[in-house]
Amino acid sequence: EVQLLESGGDLVQPGGSLRLSCVVSGFTFSNYAMNWVRQAPGKGLEWVSAISGSGGSTYYADSVKGRFTISRDNSKNTLYLQMNSLRGEDTAVYYCARSVVVVAATGYFEYWGQGTLVTVSS
Amino acid sequence: DIVMTQSPDSLAVSLGERATINCKSSQSVLYRSNNKNYLAWYQQKSGQPPKLLIYWASTRQSGVPDRFSGSGSGTDFTLTIGSLQAEDVAVYYCQQYYSTPPTFGQGTKLEIK
Repeated sequence: EVQLLESGGDLVQPGGSLRLSCVVSGFTFSNYAMNWVRQAPGKGLEWVSAISGSGGSTYYADSVKGRFTISRDNSKNTLYLQMNSLRGEDTAVYYCARSVVVVAATGYFEYWGQGTLVTVSS
Repeated sequence: DIVMTQSPDSLAVSLGERATINCKSSQSVLYRSNNKNYLAWYQQKSGQPPKLLIYWASTRQSGVPDRFSGSGSGTDFTLTIGSLQAEDVAVYYCQQYYSTPPTFGQGTKLEIK
């Protein structure tokens, strides 16, 4: 059974940093591209970032480029999102999602974790 | 970026009746070389992550009931729930994966009338 479990969400002040993790099981992690997708409270879905199976290619939404870094450790079956210079508009539930690769390292999202809440507020 | 626009924003349908949700993309998501539409549909129930229902505009994900169907091509797409069940109450999203960044519609909230 495919499982994705996010952690690391917290309350952080504007300008602060946070690292999210997503531990996966039930599939060969290195064979799949992975993504972060977020959802602000009461709002819709926004793709944030993607990484290829090897980790050699990464992609970002313009809204987070230069502030967020996606990475993975295939030996630990873990996906990460390092978030720096956080802003109020980054407040959201962050989901990790496995994609079926179609374009770049993303495509449609086949499996999702339960999400972890990041709140940016003073 | 490709903008996805869904209609309506909310919808109330009686149990057993048909529900139809529309999705329009700002440019075609049909890839001519393989004649595939790069369009997916998701269901999100309250407090849960999204769940993939449909991909390639009309291919049902494994385990999804056959009352869910997708249609359309180019820029105009439709998700149809053939006979609404109580468990179908949710927000539904379309998503294009024709180009990066992948983008979602704003969502359509489906309720029971």
